[in-house]
Amino acid sequence: GENVEQHPSTLSVQEGDSAVIKCTYSDSASNYFPWYKQELGKGPQLIIDIRSNVGEKKDQRIAVTLNKTAKHFSLHITETQPEDSAVYFCAASRPTGGGNKLTFGTGTQLKVEL
Amino acid sequence: KAGVTQTPRYLIKTRGQQVTLSCSPISGHRSVSWYQQTPGQGLQFLFEYFSETQRNKGNFPGRFSGRQFSNSRSEMNVSTLELGDSALYLCASSSRTATNEKLFFGSGTQLSVL
Repeated sequence: GENVEQHPSTLSVQEGDSAVIKCTYSDSASNYFPWYKQELGKGPQLIIDIRSNVGEKKDQRIAVTLNKTAKHFSLHITETQPEDSAVYFCAASRPTGGGNKLTFGTGTQLKVEL
Repeated sequence: KAGVTQTPRYLIKTRGQQVTLSCSPISGHRSVSWYQQTPGQGLQFLFEYFSETQRNKGNFPGRFSGRQFSNSRSEMNVSTLELGDSALYLCASSSRTATNEKLFFGSGTQLSVL
């Protein structure tokens, strides 16, 4: 089955700096890669996603890049703010005959310091 | 538009008991998935239902089961609870208009097994 590795497990940056989180996946058939942000006491919130026919996608301060050949994708957050502090999860999904099944990375605890 | 609603928010049970968790998806969403989140194993897929039919299943024992009703609401049941079942159980809904459609998570039910 699919295996998703995520690094780093913790990341501390100064406010205004950029943060980068990297993930690798094992299943070459995976074609959908979402990123989720989870704050304490809440469920994961979808912040951005990318499909395998696109190499990069940007939404304001957040961007995701995908390298299908190397089977890795990254989340980039620019001009970080204290409210960006949370746990971030990457995930991968492959077509499953009409269903949805995400395999998640182990998460990155991002701390934005003032 | 209301988000995914999960009840109850917290639950305490003892070993050997059974438990039922409830999930109401976003209005119009027909797919409901369940995930287990623990500090040790991270986010793991349990199963997915679409139009009252289980379409995908993860690698969990038969003690974990679910169902979906005609109004798309879903329940998850765990029988003969074990200490290791203590976790945050998350429900996610999707419109499923295409393969690998976006998943939206609820805040989860925190289950503690004593």
